[in-house]
Order: sequence, then C-alpha cells, then structure tokens
Amino acid sequence: EDQVTQSPEALRLQEGESSSLNCSYTVSGLRGLFWYRQDPGKGPEFLFTLYSAGEEKEKERLKATLTKKESFLHITAPKPEDSATYLCAVEGSSNTGKLIFGQGTTLQVKP
Amino acid sequence: SAVISQKPSRDICQRGTSLTIQCQVDSQVTMMFWYRQQPGQSLTLIATANQGSEATYESGFVIDKFPISRPNLTFSTLTVSNMSPEDSSIYLCSVPPSNMNTEAFFGQGTRLTVV
Repeated sequence: EDQVTQSPEALRLQEGESSSLNCSYTVSGLRGLFWYRQDPGKGPEFLFTLYSAGEEKEKERLKATLTKKESFLHITAPKPEDSATYLCAVEGSSNTGKLIFGQGTTLQVKP
Repeated sequence: SAVISQKPSRDICQRGTSLTIQCQVDSQVTMMFWYRQQPGQSLTLIATANQGSEATYESGFVIDKFPISRPNLTFSTLTVSNMSPEDSSIYLCSVPPSNMNTEAFFGQGTRLTVV
C-alpha cells in the first residue's frame, strides 16, 4: 500500500532560520513526488515535482530533494510569508493519476 | 496547465440536507478527481469522476453518500447527501498529472460546515 509520512507536524522558525521538512514514502513504482503549499481556506498550490532519486529542484527560498525513500523540502532564510502548510504527495504506477498525501507540515515563521 | 473553477467556495448547511459542488475546468481533461480534507487533516481521495460512466469510489466512500456527475470533459459535480456534522470538510476537485502537465491542479476548494 502506498503511504506518505511527513515530519514534523508543526515547525516554528524565526525569520532567517533555515530548516528542512521531511517526507518519507512507500510506493510501488514512483511516478512522481509532489510538494504543495496550502494556505488556510485555499486549495493546494503547486511547488515541485520530482521523478527520480538524486533529483533536486529550487524555487526562491525552497529546494526539494529526492532519494529512494524520502524527500526533503529545504527552506533557506525563511520569511513570514512562507508560513503555510506544506503537503507532500506521491503518485504510484499502480494508481495512475491518484495522489497519496501526507499529513502535512504546518510552518510558522515569526518576524 | 489547467485552471479549475469550483463553487461554492463555502457554505453552511443544515444536517440532513444535500449540497452540490460544481467544478469547471478550462480545458478538456480525461480524468477528474474529488478529494476531501477534514479539519486538520490531509487530502483523501473520494472518487474518480469518469466521463460517460459511473464514478469510481475509493474505499470508505459510496455513491449514495457522494453521487458524482461528469456530463462532459470539462465539468463535474459532487453532491454531499444527507449531511451530518462529520461531513464538515473542504472538498476539492483536481485534474491529475499527465503527459502534458507535471503537476496535479486543484480548485480553490469548497469549505462546508454542517450544523
């Protein structure tokens, strides 16, 4: 069974304090691992798709990396506007198109 | 890319009533999904909306409770029937990743509160 576990559940950072969010996954035939950002009351906003171990992608203060068992979302020098819930999801070859989501990490960045 | 318009954005409903949520995509798509996000939880897939045939439901979700329509390749509805407070959630429609798109697209969600 495909499964995604994110940690920590919640993270509080001071502005400028870099950190990483973890996403551990079990999937039969990874088609893609996705990172989304979700603000309260809104739908998920796409950040990255990673397809194979060793792949990395960056966008502003965010960098996503992928291994065969987990993905990390590194946040460098975060700002208060980075406060949100970050969701990780996988698409497996046995469930094409369907995303299995983790519980999310709620990030709060204080000025 | 795909732009998804979902409505209503929010509603407060009496228990025992039903609510129909609409999802419009700006392009023709083969697959559409409906997800539920309960308070403080992540997204759980309810069903796949199939054009021209019945929806395919995930374990724990049934057609009588969540009837789905998919009259064409750009539109779908999800009805939450005979609502109870436990149905209070955010409901989201989605277009999955494909050969054309590397991401799944989501509507803005419908925040449902059942009182």
